[in-house]
Amino acid sequence: AQSVTQPDIHITVSEGASLELRCNYSYGATPYLFWYVQSPGQGLQLLLKYFSGDTLVQGIKGFEAEFKRSQSSFNLRKPSVHWSDAAEYFCAVGVAGATNKLIFGTGTLLAVQP
Amino acid sequence: DAGITQSPRHKVTETGTPVTLRCHQTENHRYMYWYRQDPGHGLRLIHYSYGVKDTDKGEVSDGYSVSRSKTEDFLLTLESATSSQTSVYFCAISGTSGGSTDTQYFGPGTRLTVL
Repeated sequence: AQSVTQPDIHITVSEGASLELRCNYSYGATPYLFWYVQSPGQGLQLLLKYFSGDTLVQGIKGFEAEFKRSQSSFNLRKPSVHWSDAAEYFCAVGVAGATNKLIFGTGTLLAVQP
Repeated sequence: DAGITQSPRHKVTETGTPVTLRCHQTENHRYMYWYRQDPGHGLRLIHYSYGVKDTDKGEVSDGYSVSRSKTEDFLLTLESATSSQTSVYFCAISGTSGGSTDTQYFGPGTRLTVL
């Protein structure tokens, strides 16, 4: 069965430091992968997505993610974190078929220290 | 932002009462979804719709029903609310081709408390 694992429940980084959020997936075919961000009290916003092609994907707000098939990973990165990046981040895998269902990880809560 | 609204945004109810949450979209998207969000579980799919009057179950559908009589509206009903259904409920839409590459756009959420 498809699944997504985000091993880090909470991460704290200093403002200006680099960030990497981990995501591992289990899926039998070529995965469609997504990263969403959720600010407190808000809905989810798409940061970036990977379907095929270049394994390094650029997203909004300066985020990028790299798809590594050999490691079943799709880690999210940002070279310099801003205080406004404090939020919860969700990785998701799309289930193949005509219904576009997503399987979400449990999320990583990012805190940013001044 | 995609035109998705959810109502109510907050609701407190008592165990055993029926509750209906509404999702309304102005994007004319074909697919609509209901998720619940709970700490430690991320988002879990309750039900989804792939067209008017066409719905199917997600992974946590017990205790929930849905209806979609118009493209723009997707209703989630808790027939007899229980405390385990206290959660934040999100509606999402996606659209064009219906394939796995479509982006899902999320509404602002409804916080439901069942006492």
